[in-house]
Amino acid sequence: DQQVKQNSPSLSVQEGRISILNCDYTNSMFDYFLWYKKYPAEGPTFLISISSIKDKNEDGRFTVFLNKSAKHLSLHIVPSQPGDSAVYFCAASAESGNTPLVFGKGTRLSVIA
Amino acid sequence: DAGITQSPRYKITETGRQVTLMCHQTWSHSYMFWYRQDLGHGLRLIYYSAAADITDKGEVPDGYVVSRSKTENFPLTLESATRSQTSVYFCASSEGGQSTDTQYFGPGTRLTVL
Repeated sequence: DQQVKQNSPSLSVQEGRISILNCDYTNSMFDYFLWYKKYPAEGPTFLISISSIKDKNEDGRFTVFLNKSAKHLSLHIVPSQPGDSAVYFCAASAESGNTPLVFGKGTRLSVIA
Repeated sequence: DAGITQSPRYKITETGRQVTLMCHQTWSHSYMFWYRQDLGHGLRLIYYSAAADITDKGEVPDGYVVSRSKTENFPLTLESATRSQTSVYFCASSEGGQSTDTQYFGPGTRLTVL
């Protein structure tokens, strides 16, 4: 059973608008969440993270929101740029232990100029 | 150059053959990881290593063997390749094993098993 779910395989957004990528998790032990970004023919790169003690973390155009009661997190990109077109992976882990990251299937974001 | 490298970048092999994918990092990171990426599955952990001579199974270890005799290298061997092991393989490393330790990924190896 998938512990980290990204239910939208793809998302298309106009340049300058907001991109919202969603992620749901089922394991209540998860308390640390990350987003990775992946361009074609490259490895994933770390984008932003959030601990369960927070409900929001911001880094420039990227903001991650965490709703623990709903076991849901989202990544907002404002404003979206064509260079943001990539696959975005949500990942989760139990920070309190040495548990490996569990990744979602990814969402392919296309930002149209 | 500093970083994490994988070789080969592309490999085609036949069912039943042994294949070794190489991973090398220059940061002296303690932890190293092998993932596979398949359509519809995202990234799945195969094996990881906390230090030289310490390895542990991930989510999908069957059919794979790893070793870590040196900190900087973490080869992944498919002892008898099967078509289901056709995938893109990513190696990653991190300074520590906590989830707060950023994992840095290599460029990947695209493996096709005929």
